[in-house]
Amino acid sequence: EVQLVESGGGLVQPGRSMKLSCAASGFTFNNYDMAWVCQAPKKGLEWVATISYDGSSTYYRDSVKGRFTISRDNAKSTLYLQMDSLRSEDTATYYCARHSLSGYGYWGQGVMVTVSS
Amino acid sequence: DIQMTQSPASLSASLGETVTIECLASEDIYSNLAWYQQKPGKSPQLLIYYANSLNDGVPSRFSGSGSGTQYSLKINSLQSEDVSIYFCQQNYDSPWTFGGGTKLELK
Repeated sequence: EVQLVESGGGLVQPGRSMKLSCAASGFTFNNYDMAWVCQAPKKGLEWVATISYDGSSTYYRDSVKGRFTISRDNAKSTLYLQMDSLRSEDTATYYCARHSLSGYGYWGQGVMVTVSS
Repeated sequence: DIQMTQSPASLSASLGETVTIECLASEDIYSNLAWYQQKPGKSPQLLIYYANSLNDGVPSRFSGSGSGTQYSLKINSLQSEDVSIYFCQQNYDSPWTFGGGTKLELK
C-alpha cells in the first residue's frame, strides 16, 4: 500500500525557516517524480514544486522561487521542502504527492504551516 | 501560465440527479486533464486522468470528457458521499495549475 506521511509543520514567524519531510513507502520511491502541493485555509489547491525521480531536475511556482527548495533522499525514501524567508501568504496545508503526467494519484495527509508573529 | 477556469463555483443538487462540472483551459492542453475529489478535512483523491480515464476504485457514475480547452466531469445518480469539492488540474505544462474548485452540496 502506497503511503506518504508528512511531518515538520507548525507555527513559524515571518522571515524564518521551516523544513517539511515526507516519508514514502509501498512503492519504489526512486522511480517517481514527487511534488508538493499547498492549500491555504478555505482556498483551492496550488502546485508548489516538483522534483524528478533522481533529483536532477526541480521546478517551482514563481511565488516560491529562491525561497523554497525541494529535495529528496532516495536511500531514505524521503522528500523534503526547505522553506526560507516565510511569508504570511505561505500559510497553508502542504501535501506531498506522487507526480506523474496523468496527475497526482497518491497524496499524503497534509501538514499545516502557519506563518504568523 | 495556463489558467484553469472551473464552473460553477458551487452547485446544489438532489440525490439521484446528474451533475456536470466544467473546466476551461486558457490554451490547448491536449487532454492532459485530471479531476480530483476532496472531502471535508481530507486529502484530494484522483478521480479521472487524461480527461476521460477512470482511476482505480472510482465508481462508474463518475465520467470525464472533453478535448482541447474544454473539459467536463459528470456525476450520474448523485449519492450522499459525493458531497465534496471537485478540482480540475492541467498536467500539460509547468506550472501545473488547478481550477478554483466546485463545491457540491445536496439540495
